[in-house]
Amino acid sequence: DQQVKQNSPSLSVQEGRISILNCDYTNSMFDYFLWYKKYPAEGPTFLISISSIKDKNEDGRFTVFLNKSAKHLSLHIVPSQPGDSAVYFCAASGLAGGTSYGKLTFGQGTILTVHP
Amino acid sequence: DAGITQSPRHKVTETGTPVTLRCHQTENHRYMYWYRQDPGHGLRLIHYSYGVKDTDKGEVSDGYSVSRSKTEDFLLTLESATSSQTSVYFCAISEREVGSGGYTFGSGTRLTVV
Repeated sequence: DQQVKQNSPSLSVQEGRISILNCDYTNSMFDYFLWYKKYPAEGPTFLISISSIKDKNEDGRFTVFLNKSAKHLSLHIVPSQPGDSAVYFCAASGLAGGTSYGKLTFGQGTILTVHP
Repeated sequence: DAGITQSPRHKVTETGTPVTLRCHQTENHRYMYWYRQDPGHGLRLIHYSYGVKDTDKGEVSDGYSVSRSKTEDFLLTLESATSSQTSVYFCAISEREVGSGGYTFGSGTRLTVV
């Protein structure tokens, strides 16, 4: 049972347009969410995070939105650049005292391709 | 970049043989993790450590063991390798259990069991 799901295996976007990557979760004990970016033959690198007390967090071209009632988060990249082409993973961690605290649970990943 | 290295980077081994992967950090972080990455599954936690000699199981720990005798080293051992353990293995480190920035990952070890 996948507690964090990225239902789109891939996304293709034109340079300069918006990329929207989606993630759904089922565990209501998750309260901290992160996005990682991964290039081939490298480890994932941290991109942006959001706590459950917020519904939006921005960092430059990257914005993460959290909808707790829908158990859904999304990553917006505006404008998209060819260098953004990578695999994007969402991840979640749980409340202190819970079994998911301190451990990140990852989604399956979405391959983003940004065409020049 | 955080000082975290994994060795070897690539390994081919035969079914039934033991294999040990090494993760070494120079950041003196308390928390260390082993994940495996497989198509359709993302990254799944194998084992983690919250200090020297303190380890615990993750969601896919069967067939794996770990040891942490020093802060800087976290070893993952496949006791008797099987073809289902062919994967890319990532080590990660963290200064805190949870916090902004999450984990820092190594570059991975690609393991093939034939």
